[in-house]
Amino acid sequence: EAQLLESGGRLIQPGGSLRLSCVVSGFRVNNNYISWVRQAPGKGLEWVSIIYSGANTYYADSVKGRFTISRDASENTVYLQMNNLRVEDTALYYCTRSDYWGQGTRVTVSS
Amino acid sequence: AVLSQPSSLSASPGTTVRLTCTLGSGIEAGLDRVYWFQQKPGSPPQFLLRYTSDSDKQLAIGVPSRFSGSRDDSASARILLISGLLSEDEADYHCMIWHNNGWVFGGGTKLTVL
Repeated sequence: EAQLLESGGRLIQPGGSLRLSCVVSGFRVNNNYISWVRQAPGKGLEWVSIIYSGANTYYADSVKGRFTISRDASENTVYLQMNNLRVEDTALYYCTRSDYWGQGTRVTVSS
Repeated sequence: AVLSQPSSLSASPGTTVRLTCTLGSGIEAGLDRVYWFQQKPGSPPQFLLRYTSDSDKQLAIGVPSRFSGSRDDSASARILLISGLLSEDEADYHCMIWHNNGWVFGGGTKLTVL
């Protein structure tokens, strides 16, 4: 069965940078799409970014220009580089193929 | 909003509940495929099913057939039906569509089983 495991979340000050990782097992990241989805405390799900099998990438307007999604096929891992973080980026970040979800990694942006 | 869901809904055990996901006015009615997820407190979302039509649908592995999809094009709505409601069905339910090369989620519905 496929598994996704996120890491990299932590407490960080506004304006800082973080890189989240999503290690995938059970399928190849370069043959599938992978999205990052976040959930602020007590809120609904918000799509953040996606990388397609053809390596096309897309972003939500709220993160465009600040976040970058990428992948390493040799590590079967998808990354989310987050720059210029804002308080409103505070959330639990999931990576997902829609049918499989990780447990999430928590990002807290606060001074 | 692109997708709208009622924020909460309550129903009694054994009944059939209808959760709706309404497409916003700017969204093409031809957008077919909707995904439904169940999320319980402290857990990630779990894929339940995807629904395009009665002839094109997929129930996730391990999800009971009490869960099914439907659509009401006259109301621009996509529907998750849960029959024979159980206490364990109490959860948040999220709908999602593909839109502009990305995804859009509804705000989620908190289902309470009374």
